[in-house]
Amino acid sequence: AQKITQTQPGMFVQEKEAVTLDCTYDTSDPSYGLFWYKQPSSGEMIFLIYQGSYDQQNATEGRYSLNFQKARKSANLVISASQLGDSAMYFCAMRANAGGTSYGKLTFGQGTILTVHP
Amino acid sequence: DTGVSQDPRHKITKRGQNVTFRCDPISEHNRLYWYRQTLGQGPEFLTYFQNEAQLEKSRLLSDRFSAERPKGSFSTLEIQRTEQGDSAMYLCASSPAGSSQPQHFGDGTRLSIL
Repeated sequence: AQKITQTQPGMFVQEKEAVTLDCTYDTSDPSYGLFWYKQPSSGEMIFLIYQGSYDQQNATEGRYSLNFQKARKSANLVISASQLGDSAMYFCAMRANAGGTSYGKLTFGQGTILTVHP
Repeated sequence: DTGVSQDPRHKITKRGQNVTFRCDPISEHNRLYWYRQTLGQGPEFLTYFQNEAQLEKSRLLSDRFSAERPKGSFSTLEIQRTEQGDSAMYLCASSPAGSSQPQHFGDGTRLSIL
């Protein structure tokens, strides 16, 4: 079974500062992917960034980067230069890749509410 | 790319009634997923299709729930004899094949049971 843990129910950050949202995971699948999604108050789930378990380098997408530490089973999201529009719920999720026992579905964490202050 | 479309956006019904939701995936995506999200929680997987084949169903999906994707395009999720506990946001997502491909979500259908 897969499990995602997000231990920060809420985080606050000043506009233009960087913030790290924590995510730890547990899985018995040998190959897996980690995803981060943003859910604003309007409700839509927006894909941010992906990290494969065998990727050698940490993923980056614009202001988003993923601090992937495989031995610690953590995949923290770093948002640089926070903007007011970054205020939202953020979810970490994982999926087994080909050959895994949970291939296809995403398993989500509980989420972290990020509030960006001006 | 018109995105994943879900209909209706909101559904209010009385306990015991049947409801059906529709999802139209991104046209070139052969995988389609259904999730349920309650307030303050992450989405929970319900079921997914590759083309018209239903490949996995969660234990959350009781006998009252059924999903179809008859021609490998749009999908429907039906809940029979709705209960108070069915009140939630029902999210549909689609993706192409490929392990690194993200799932793209629709805006969801919010179900409220009176």
